[in-house]
Amino acid sequence: GAVVSQHPSWVICKSGTSVKIECRSLDFQATTMFWYRQFPKQSLMLMATSNEGSKATYEQGVEKDKFLINHASLTLSTLTVTSAHPEDSSFYICSAREDRDFHEQYFGPGTRLTVT
Amino acid sequence: GQNIDQPTEMTATEGAIVQINCTYQTSGFNGLFWYQQHAGEAPTFLSYNVLDGLEEKGRFSSFLSRSKGYSYLLLKELQMKDSASYLCAVSDSNYQLIWGAGTKLIIKP
Repeated sequence: GAVVSQHPSWVICKSGTSVKIECRSLDFQATTMFWYRQFPKQSLMLMATSNEGSKATYEQGVEKDKFLINHASLTLSTLTVTSAHPEDSSFYICSAREDRDFHEQYFGPGTRLTVT
Repeated sequence: GQNIDQPTEMTATEGAIVQINCTYQTSGFNGLFWYQQHAGEAPTFLSYNVLDGLEEKGRFSSFLSRSKGYSYLLLKELQMKDSASYLCAVSDSNYQLIWGAGTKLIIKP
């Protein structure tokens, strides 16, 4: 089956620093990748959609200068949280979709970010 | 606007059957998904319905009525490991997933 990995699985950083999270599709080419954020006991919130080789499309209310997304290849997308603050602490999940199948997204295991 | 509604929490007994409902109003429809999410983990795919009717997969079944904007997930022979949140998501006209808030299912012995 389709496998998506995320790295790191958890990270603790100090306020004001930047953190990069990687999302990789291991056995398929992902033309589209999605980044979600999830706060405790809440549902997934889509942050942005990225297509390989083009700029990401951000959802309303998501600061594109704070959450930098780069979809450099068909198997890799990165999310960089810049100048992190404690309120950015959350569970970040990526998902990937193959071009030939618009009906399913394959989820990575998620990254737990804690900003102190 | 787009809206997905599902109950916040449900409780059921081990070995029993539980039905989790989901109603939706979206701009376009390209299918409805059910995902299971254990605490601290990413969602895992359970089912996909795009046509009306019942899809059965082992202990789990999912039903869809497009005319009513309604779906349910049916879990049979409940096990303690089924304690999790169940997320209903609809693929809209742009093939983007619109998510419900999730239903936390608590299984008691």
